[in-house]
Amino acid sequence: NAGVTQTPKFRVLKTGQSMTLLCAQDMNHEYMYWYRQDPGMGLRLIHYSVGEGTTAKGEVPDGYNVSRLKKQNFLLGLESAAPSQTSVYFCASSPRGGEGRLEPQHFGDGTRLSIL
Amino acid sequence: AQSVAQPEDQVNVAEGNPLTVKCTYSVSGNPYLFWYVQYPNRGLQFLLKYITGDNLVKGSYGFEAEFNKSQTSFHLKKPSALVSDSALYFCAVRDYKCRRALTFGSGTRLQVQP
Repeated sequence: NAGVTQTPKFRVLKTGQSMTLLCAQDMNHEYMYWYRQDPGMGLRLIHYSVGEGTTAKGEVPDGYNVSRLKKQNFLLGLESAAPSQTSVYFCASSPRGGEGRLEPQHFGDGTRLSIL
Repeated sequence: AQSVAQPEDQVNVAEGNPLTVKCTYSVSGNPYLFWYVQYPNRGLQFLLKYITGDNLVKGSYGFEAEFNKSQTSFHLKKPSALVSDSALYFCAVRDYKCRRALTFGSGTRLQVQP
């Protein structure tokens, strides 16, 4: 059982290049999230999606775009990479659950991205 | 806005001793609280959650957490630490603004010495 799979695991980019990070989940979860993790700052939410075809901004959305064309996939794009976007990126998913049953999020193993 | 504070960057404890990792929170309304653990080069793994009910929540790997509403705290505890518990621990609170997303603390590194 794969759970949440992120590709690639590592990537080095030059400033101004573009790339797309892929997240795939096989648990039929409705909700999906992209976070970035920086030292001493925990995880910060970039964008999230509550269902196929819908996305919304999180805490730090600038410089990123997302798409969720299929329920199982959530793509994170960097149109013009900047050194400030050097980080570890985590994707997570969770089922809808009920209001009284907030389900935990399931995380991928991360993508380590360096922008030179 | 809601927030989570983990006041200790690192906690050191000897194997076999009890451990506590501290977390305080600030929310409007009822808090939904979580603890996650992160091992090197891995994603976060769910340990336990508090939604409502008993103030002592039991989770995976022998961990438990105590919810204290008056002190707005949700400290993670374990009666007897193992070397394998050494990892990075995150406290998190549900973010009401970003549906079902989480607001994370900055993390506490737990080092258990043999």
